[in-house]
Amino acid sequence: LAKTTQPISMDSYEGQEVNITCSHNNIATNDYITWYQQFPSQGPRFIIQGYKTKVTNEVASLFIPADRKSSTLSLPRVSLSDTAVYYCLVGEGGSARQLTFGSGTQLTVLP
Amino acid sequence: DVKVTQSSRYLVKRTGEKVFLECVQDMDHENMFWYRQDPGLGLRLIYFSYDVKMKEKGDIPEGYSVSREKKERFSLILESASTNQTSMYLCAIRQAPLLEAFFGQGTRLTVV
Repeated sequence: LAKTTQPISMDSYEGQEVNITCSHNNIATNDYITWYQQFPSQGPRFIIQGYKTKVTNEVASLFIPADRKSSTLSLPRVSLSDTAVYYCLVGEGGSARQLTFGSGTQLTVLP
Repeated sequence: DVKVTQSSRYLVKRTGEKVFLECVQDMDHENMFWYRQDPGLGLRLIYFSYDVKMKEKGDIPEGYSVSREKKERFSLILESASTNQTSMYLCAIRQAPLLEAFFGQGTRLTVV
């Protein structure tokens, strides 16, 4: 799996849009980009996955530039309940048996 | 709803005891994983299994072993528990080729 780099922590205020960027310079042609969310005392939860350009679901949007060496998770109008650790993973699902998580980004939403 | 069930939510064991952490899934997924999570260190992969009786070491396998005799059950074994194995242990499942994984609720193990 390609190595990923994310900021350790970020703060935001309620109602703001939050963008968390992940660097993955060694991403391979067949790799997908996946983001997870983890609340305290719970296991991580899958939130979004993409290959290129933009993906949007009910929780977040994922922006991937043409060179795919980075990706940005966008959370619209965050609330206090979005306070969590966010992990970026990169891998080719078919052959990648391991799922290796980095340290993630601690997002704290302030009132 | 996907169910990944870990046998205990909280566990207290003594140093030197043999400890079994059980994980059971109801989704028939091939891949199962054991992680430990410690403050400031994120999730670290201990072992994973991609089929019955098949296992591979993750990043921190020392002091642990695993067993997968049936597809739905993946056990993590601490042969002789030590205080540095006090941690939150998380089980996860995944069906290749998808990268979406489902996690159990975690077992907080304290070794005294």
